[in-house]
Amino acid sequence: DAGVTQSPTHLIKTRGQQVTLRCSPISGHKSVSWYQQVLGQGPQFIFQYYEKEERGRGNFPDRFSARQFPNYSSELNVNALLLGDSALYLCASSLRGVSEAFFGQGTRLTVV
Amino acid sequence: GQNIDQPTEMTATEGAIVQINCTYQTSGFNGLFWYQQHAGEAPTFLSYNVLDGLEEKGRFSSFLSRSKGYSYLLLKELQMKDSASYLCAVSSGTYKYIFGTGTRLKVLA
Repeated sequence: DAGVTQSPTHLIKTRGQQVTLRCSPISGHKSVSWYQQVLGQGPQFIFQYYEKEERGRGNFPDRFSARQFPNYSSELNVNALLLGDSALYLCASSLRGVSEAFFGQGTRLTVV
Repeated sequence: GQNIDQPTEMTATEGAIVQINCTYQTSGFNGLFWYQQHAGEAPTFLSYNVLDGLEEKGRFSSFLSRSKGYSYLLLKELQMKDSASYLCAVSSGTYKYIFGTGTRLKVLA
């Protein structure tokens, strides 16, 4: 059974550009969350979607947006990239909002 | 505010026992999780506590005291492969986890 899959695994973008990151949850999981992890820090919560609705948003600017599709996959969009957006972006899926979360391998975003 | 504190770094010897502490202050509490993260990899689930007490799972045990806002992860019979970061996370409300900065554990031969 496939785990959480994220694409791409690595990405290099220029300041000011836009990026879209993708996540496919474990089959049967309806909750998808996005986290940003800067080197040496713990993951920081960005968004959670459950049943295609946004259920939670972390302390991130409006440049960050996300959506969840009918098949429960999700996309994270970041506009007007800044150098400080360079991080590992993790997607986690769970059966419901509060339960064990399974993380994907992440997308390593580098903004130059 | 919401805060999770854990030591930045710990060192232990192969075969020994190590205890990683975590204290938390959050506006809500639906459970406390411990994750292991090897460098460059995704976090993997280790344990979940929602009631006070000790949960044991093989070489790993986790303890929770909700009244004290305190948890620890106990690793027994340390192996070299246990060298990793250990993340304490609190489920605050229904929709998110708040993570600590992680404790980097080095296991020495």
